[in-house]
Amino acid sequence: EAQVTQNPRYLITVTGKKLTVTCSQNMNHEYMSWYRQDPGLGLRQIYYSMNVEVTDKGDVPEGYKVSRKEKRNFPLILESPSPNQTSLYFCASRRRPNSYEQYFGPGTRLTVT
Amino acid sequence: ILNVEQSPQSLHVQEGDSTNFTCSFPSSNFYALHWYRWETAKSPEALFVMTLNGDEKKKGRISATLNTKEGYSYLYIKGSQPEDSATYLCAFLDTNYGGSQGNLIFGKGTKLSVKP
Repeated sequence: EAQVTQNPRYLITVTGKKLTVTCSQNMNHEYMSWYRQDPGLGLRQIYYSMNVEVTDKGDVPEGYKVSRKEKRNFPLILESPSPNQTSLYFCASRRRPNSYEQYFGPGTRLTVT
Repeated sequence: ILNVEQSPQSLHVQEGDSTNFTCSFPSSNFYALHWYRWETAKSPEALFVMTLNGDEKKKGRISATLNTKEGYSYLYIKGSQPEDSATYLCAFLDTNYGGSQGNLIFGKGTKLSVKP
């Protein structure tokens, strides 16, 4: 089954404790991205990747890092989480950057206390 | 800063009603317009990707039209059912950043509630 998976689905952590949210897709898609969803603000892009070893900042990259060492994986790293990073996070992928529909992962609900 | 506006923010209809909502986007540098359906506690799922002015797409009771010259797209649902209750998102891809970098700009969505 074609899908985007994310782990963990739910996470409660404390300020400053490094964490990684994993994302994997099995569709051989070139393009992957991370979004955060906050009430009243809509989906905002954090980082994206056009292909292996090619990543760039989206609209709200502060406090996040990513890597793309393999085509299928695109982890999101919070080196020192803060309460303002409490949000719902979605990983997504597309076959190509400039075309085709986007597939979303199931979401990760992160709470930073 | 590119802006994608959706209206209305929310909509309550009775089962069997037909409904429509609007997505407005910049009319210059158009590349593509996406529609997604997002049910509560799930993740967004693609409905349509539209690229040509005058495009009309249909999936079951849901259809969409596109006017790139004036910068709007309509989503129609014929004979709404309770299972159509969801938030409907549109997203805009422009030729400057979207075409080369793939950055979809999302609207905030229209939340549809269909009462049985």
